[in-house]
Amino acid sequence: DAGITQSPRHKVTETGTPVTLRCHQTENHRYMYWYRQDPGHGLRLIHYSYGVKDTDKGEVSDGYSVSRSKTEDFLLTLESATSSQTSVYFCAISSGGIIYFGEGSWLTVV
Amino acid sequence: GEDVEQSLFLSVREGDSSVINCTYTDSSSTYLYWYKQEPGAGLQLLTYIFSNMDMKQDQRLTVLLNKKDKHLSLRIADTQTGDSAIYFCVVGGSQGNLIFGKGTKLSVKP
Repeated sequence: DAGITQSPRHKVTETGTPVTLRCHQTENHRYMYWYRQDPGHGLRLIHYSYGVKDTDKGEVSDGYSVSRSKTEDFLLTLESATSSQTSVYFCAISSGGIIYFGEGSWLTVV
Repeated sequence: GEDVEQSLFLSVREGDSSVINCTYTDSSSTYLYWYKQEPGAGLQLLTYIFSNMDMKQDQRLTVLLNKKDKHLSLRIADTQTGDSAIYFCVVGGSQGNLIFGKGTKLSVKP
């Protein structure tokens, strides 16, 4: 499982509230990613990181911000959650060019 | 744009072989991947193949790559009910990103 832990695994939140999802890895991987999975869209990249304090946008970054203040943690923040951000969020790491995913965080915005 | 196409559904009988096909428009990555996702779970890396290989066999799994036709397939021998899941074909895009197919739902009938 490449030592990836996501938290929380499930969350229900109200529209307009901030939400932070955490991805924690134990194996010092440089590259970390946040994806969202939605029916009919497959997985889409939100943001990724290539090192501490080094991040970049993916294809669906609007409404999301990320931070990586230490190698092991990559945080995804929804500044003001909207119903369109109800989704399953997956963190991933790259190990030798192979991508491994976390177990997912199910987020519902009501 | 870059795209990965795979059929949405496949139904087989237990003990038969399953073949899931995938076509892609372009791949710039060293690896092409197959991931498995069971209901309510994350994406499990099933297998991958180097882009300079034609075939890779791993126990019941056989991956075939035809770079000329941009075609990737996954064969599961002696399919079991535990193989029921969604299978994603994933290739690397020209921007260093991953491009996901929509997933093939494999149903295995006893």
